[in-house]
Amino acid sequence: DSGVTQTPKHLITATGQRVTLRCSPRSGDLSVYWYQQSLDQGLQFLIQYYNGEERAKGNILERFSAQQFPDLHSELNLSSLELGDSALYFCASSVAETEETQYFGPGTRLLVL
Amino acid sequence: QKEVEQDPGPLSVPEGAIVSLNCTYSNSAFQYFMWYRQYSRKGPELLMYTYSSGNKEDGRFTAQVDKSSKYISLFIRDSQPSDSATYLCAMSGYVYNTDKLIFGTGTRLQVFP
Repeated sequence: DSGVTQTPKHLITATGQRVTLRCSPRSGDLSVYWYQQSLDQGLQFLIQYYNGEERAKGNILERFSAQQFPDLHSELNLSSLELGDSALYFCASSVAETEETQYFGPGTRLLVL
Repeated sequence: QKEVEQDPGPLSVPEGAIVSLNCTYSNSAFQYFMWYRQYSRKGPELLMYTYSSGNKEDGRFTAQVDKSSKYISLFIRDSQPSDSATYLCAMSGYVYNTDKLIFGTGTRLQVFP
């Protein structure tokens, strides 16, 4: 158990809908990262937050947004969902702003029908 | 060309075999190299972390980095059925003003009794 928690574990929704994925980092970790894992693309970095502030952006679509709250948990919002958004979404956390050792949560499996 | 290339496998070996997993990369600025293990339907778990070139050993696992060849390896000695998983290499180097990890697509390993 990495200490990173994610909810929900599974999510099934329809195209055009909006969902929110939640992540709680390990105790003491200030950085949260979001990744998308699909069969054809592998693990892709989406966005990083550090202590409530956006730190870096990766291949995140404009339909997606995230935030980190004062208690350091983070939410990833996915809107206007398309079939191609079906994937595993992982959250990872690390202690510092620049920290190579990241610890991953169990993921949320999203299926868009 | 992808920044990180990894043979997807699958790699099937008998119990007790020595396994060699490899990744090549193109960006010479990468400084940190990691191996993650991912069991089916689980989040990636950090196995090995290496800075710059050299070897690192941890139990049955040895990580090697050859920066001159832009090549990293993970060796598993005395492989066990419980080692059956997907192994992801990852690397970073603060090259994009972030410590985001760049992942290989993963090699699926199966160790049969």
